[in-house]
Amino acid sequence: QQQVKQSPQSLIVQKGGISIINCAYENTAFDYFPWYQQFPGKGPALLIAIRPDVSEKKEGRFTISFNKSAKQFSLHIMDSQPGDSATYFCAASTAGGGNKLTFGTGTQLKVEL
Amino acid sequence: DGGITQSPKYLFRKEGQNVTLSCEQNLNHDAMYWYRQDPGQGLRLIYYSQIVNDFQKGDIAEGYSVSREKKESFPLTVTSAQKNPTAFYLCASSIGKGQVVYEQYFGPGTRLTVT
Repeated sequence: QQQVKQSPQSLIVQKGGISIINCAYENTAFDYFPWYQQFPGKGPALLIAIRPDVSEKKEGRFTISFNKSAKQFSLHIMDSQPGDSATYFCAASTAGGGNKLTFGTGTQLKVEL
Repeated sequence: DGGITQSPKYLFRKEGQNVTLSCEQNLNHDAMYWYRQDPGQGLRLIYYSQIVNDFQKGDIAEGYSVSREKKESFPLTVTSAQKNPTAFYLCASSIGKGQVVYEQYFGPGTRLTVT
């Protein structure tokens, strides 16, 4: 079964610090890697996404780093804020597979003052 | 406003009853998806549809059924055959054309509790 493994399960970061969440995948056919942010009781919201032709993508305080040879990608949240406290999911999909997303198990981030 | 609507937000049913969850989108997206979310397990795909009148099973389709009679609507029925129906159900949609991967956008979810 296709899998995306996400770590850590939970993370506590001080305000202003860097939050780092890692994901690893097995299926080399994956060609789209989004990150979603979810607040309690809400649907996930697309945060940032990357395709394997680039090694890094930055949008504001959020950066995806992608290592194709290692089959790993990570989310970095710079200058973490209490409002960033949420659950983050990595995912992967392939165009030839009906655009189905395979999700990691999520990371619960808490940013403390 | 453009977006995805799921109703109701909370749903309670007795064991043995079928229940239908609504999902409507006005984004003119071709593809629609249903996911189930359980604590600590991420989101798992139940069914998806890339075009009207056509749909495919996802990873955990047993005990569920769907229909896609209109482009904007993709209702999910949780049948009595689903052994553990209590969960948070999420509907998503994407442009979904051809061999290019497009972003999926999610609705607000329906929390189903079966007792």
